[in-house]
Amino acid sequence: DAEITQSPRHKITETGRQVTLACHQTWNHNNMFWYRQDLGHGLRLIHYSYGVHDTNKGEVSDGYSVSRSNTEDLPLTLESAASSQTSVYFCASSEARAADTQYFGPGTRLTVL
Amino acid sequence: GQSLEQPSEVTAVEGAIVQINCTYQTSGFYGLSWYQQHDGGAPTFLSYNALDGLEETGRFSSFLSRSDSYGYLLLQELQMKDSASYFCAAGGSYIPTFGRGTSLIVHP
Repeated sequence: DAEITQSPRHKITETGRQVTLACHQTWNHNNMFWYRQDLGHGLRLIHYSYGVHDTNKGEVSDGYSVSRSNTEDLPLTLESAASSQTSVYFCASSEARAADTQYFGPGTRLTVL
Repeated sequence: GQSLEQPSEVTAVEGAIVQINCTYQTSGFYGLSWYQQHDGGAPTFLSYNALDGLEETGRFSSFLSRSDSYGYLLLQELQMKDSASYFCAAGGSYIPTFGRGTSLIVHP
């Protein structure tokens, strides 16, 4: 069965360190998204990609970057982790280019100390 | 910009019907989706409305009125397992935007 996975599921890091969160999907979807979820804010879009070598900034992209070298993976990098980036991160993929039927990964809980 | 408004919390009793409303302001709007998320879990897709009217999927129905920039999710025959957060999400200009979520609490 097709799926979308994220790793690690939990991560504790220190301020200033670079951190990369992995996202891998086997749906063969062109469209992939990264969100962060914080209490009271719902899901906020960080970056998204509509195909290989395509990346776009979302609502809260400062301090984050992504790269898309193949269809299956969209890693999210925090260049220099900050305590404000402590959050739960969800990766999603979809066949359509918007909120219609997005499939979410299990999430990564990141704590920046 | 894009924004969606939904109530922060709704409570109901088991077996009842509950409606969660969502109003939106998006440019290039072309559809409204609904997602369910249980505590500690990932959001899961429930329904999508591209056209005005009602879409029914089992106990869940979703409605859209483009002229009113409004939609709702209707949950019938509520069960305890329906206690979760529900998010509306709008597709606009190919960028998805989510509301802040409605926490549904179902009491026995």
